[in-house]
Amino acid sequence: DVKVTQSSRYLVKRTGEKVFLECVQDMDHENMFWYRQDPGLGLRLIYFSYDVKMKEKGDIPEGYSVSREKKERFSLILESASTNQTSMYLCASSFGTGGGYEQYFGPGTRLTVT
Amino acid sequence: GIQVEQSPPDLILQEGANSTLRCNFSDSVNNLQWFHQNPWGQLINLFYIPSGTKQNGRLSATTVATERYSLLYISSSQTTDSGVYFCAAGRSQGNLIFGKGTKLSVKP
Repeated sequence: DVKVTQSSRYLVKRTGEKVFLECVQDMDHENMFWYRQDPGLGLRLIYFSYDVKMKEKGDIPEGYSVSREKKERFSLILESASTNQTSMYLCASSFGTGGGYEQYFGPGTRLTVT
Repeated sequence: GIQVEQSPPDLILQEGANSTLRCNFSDSVNNLQWFHQNPWGQLINLFYIPSGTKQNGRLSATTVATERYSLLYISSSQTTDSGVYFCAAGRSQGNLIFGKGTKLSVKP
């Protein structure tokens, strides 16, 4: 079974803090993704990576950065957390470059920025 | 870009009833997935179905790629089927575009 894990289920941070969200997959997948989910807005893509040290902006990258130093790990970084980044963050991975591969999700991290 | 629309937005059923959820997408896709989001927020994979028909127990799905829609069938619904069902279509880069979801409530 594919397993995608995220470092925290719940996280509370203060405005201005630097926040790291970690995602690890155990299936040697090339592609990894970060989405956020908000009521009324659905799931939106923040960043994705199709290889180690490679990254591509998604639909809402402002205020975020990412790091992929190892194939199995993809980190989302909030350089200076703001209250409008309070959200559910979901990491995903898929095999192969390009589309056409099933995507698997982690359990999610509910981040609250106060 | 691709747009994904799901209907109905809300659905209330009595236990034992059958239901059909629909997903329309605006362009050709190379990935189409159905998910169930559990109460803790995790997305559970139901089907990877860019075309054709698949069945898994009481659930089945059909995608007609040429007509740009997919259907999820739930038969003999149970209270544990409650939750939000998402359809998502894949772009060439590999990321998914999600619909707004169908919130299903199954009453005992």
